[in-house]
Amino acid sequence: DIQLTQSPSFLSASVGDRVTITCRASQGISNYLGWYQQKPGKAPKLLIYAASTLQSGVPSRFSGSGSGTEFTLTISSLQPADFATYYCQRLNNYPATFGGGTKVEIK
Amino acid sequence: QVQLVESGGGVVQPGRSLRLSCVGSGFTFSRHAMHWVRQAPGKGLEWVAVISYDGSVRYNADSVKGRFTISRDNSKNTLYLQMDSLRPEDTAMYYCTRDQFLGHSSGRSDCWGRGTLVTVSS
Repeated sequence: DIQLTQSPSFLSASVGDRVTITCRASQGISNYLGWYQQKPGKAPKLLIYAASTLQSGVPSRFSGSGSGTEFTLTISSLQPADFATYYCQRLNNYPATFGGGTKVEIK
Repeated sequence: QVQLVESGGGVVQPGRSLRLSCVGSGFTFSRHAMHWVRQAPGKGLEWVAVISYDGSVRYNADSVKGRFTISRDNSKNTLYLQMDSLRPEDTAMYYCTRDQFLGHSSGRSDCWGRGTLVTVSS
């Protein structure tokens, strides 16, 4: 099965910072990747699918890129509402594996 | 609005069974594939199973293969997860999710329930 490895697993940043999270796949998965945001005690929320397509209603400061085995989620200017844990997920094939998560905390 | 409500969680002894349910409303349930995703306390997300819009295609994670069965009743707008031979490592919050793509499944979950907690302990 394909594994997804996220880095870093923990990130400390300030409001206004540009933040980049990486997700690496153990084999090529084309652009079949999604990103989710999860806040404590809440269900995850879909941010991006097809590696770079922004889900409806998601702020434009979020962007995704990549193809094959390396993908990135970028937050252009971190806002207070963005402090959360972020997960990547393999899409369009099964098992629909998740990455281990990246927790973004306030510096 | 679109809503998913899970039920059926609780405390169960190892080796026993439990059936989770998820009722969907605010959308045409029968047109969407559906997933179960779980999250152990303090841990990350784990995809568990998917069922196609008409119930004809199902996939499970290796960790639950042969023990968990996903099913659906479109006449009741309800998704199920039958969990047999439960183990302590199955302890988690179980989320029901809607696949965003109409008809076939895409894997992307655009709507999530609040989850139901399953605790496997003697």
